[in-house]
Amino acid sequence: NAGVTQTPKFRVLKTGQSMTLLCAQDMNHEYMYWYRQDPGMGLRLIHYSVGEGTTAKGEVPDGYNVSRLKKQNFLLGLESAAPSQTSVYFCASSYRRDETQYFGPGTRLLVL
Amino acid sequence: KQEVTQIPAALSVPEGENLVLNCSFTDSAIYNLQWFRQDPGKGLTSLLLIQSSQREQTSGRLNASLDKSSGRSTLYIAASQPGDSATYLCAVADTNAGKSTFGDGTTLTVKP
Repeated sequence: NAGVTQTPKFRVLKTGQSMTLLCAQDMNHEYMYWYRQDPGMGLRLIHYSVGEGTTAKGEVPDGYNVSRLKKQNFLLGLESAAPSQTSVYFCASSYRRDETQYFGPGTRLLVL
Repeated sequence: KQEVTQIPAALSVPEGENLVLNCSFTDSAIYNLQWFRQDPGKGLTSLLLIQSSQREQTSGRLNASLDKSSGRSTLYIAASQPGDSATYLCAVADTNAGKSTFGDGTTLTVKP
C-alpha cells in the first residue's frame, strides 16, 4: 500500500493563478481531510469529507474548494491564489472518524 | 471553540532521560485525542490514539494518558534516544464530525 500520496510536492504560483492539489489514498478510508500548516499557527483544517460525494467546511475554508468524486481521491482547488495561501498543505485520511488519521507527505506551495 | 496548548514549545534532554510532554485542551467534550510525530519537512506520523472512554495507551517506550475532566493529556517517553528528536503534536477530535484541533507542538531534541 502506498498509503496517502499528494501531488505535487512543491509548486510556485503567481498571485491570481489557479491550481489543484491531489490527494489519493489506497486504504479504502471514508474520511479525508485537507489541512494547512503555518509557523506559529499549527495545523488548521480547511475542508473535509465523510465519504464519496460529500464535502464540508473546516476552520479556514475561504479561498479553497474541494471535491470528492471518487472515494480514494480528495482534490483541493485554489481558484485565485493569494500570497496568504503560501503554506504547507497536508492531506489525511481515516477509515472512521474515531480511528487513526494517516497523513500524506505534504505539498509546499509558494504564492508570489 | 476548542483550543489546544502544548507546553513546553521546545525541550532539550540528554540521551537516556525519561520525559513528559504536555497537552491541554479547553473543551472536554472530545471524541478522541491523538499524538503525532513530525520530522522536519515531513508529514505527520501517528503515535498513539486514545478514545474518550480510555485513560491511557502504550506503544513500546511511549505511554499517553488522558484526563478529560481536567482537559489534559501527557505523552511519556522512556529512555529517550537521539532518534526521538522531532516535533510532537497532539490533536483533539470533537464530537460532531471528528474534526481535529491541533496544538502547535513540542520540538524535542535528544542529545547523544
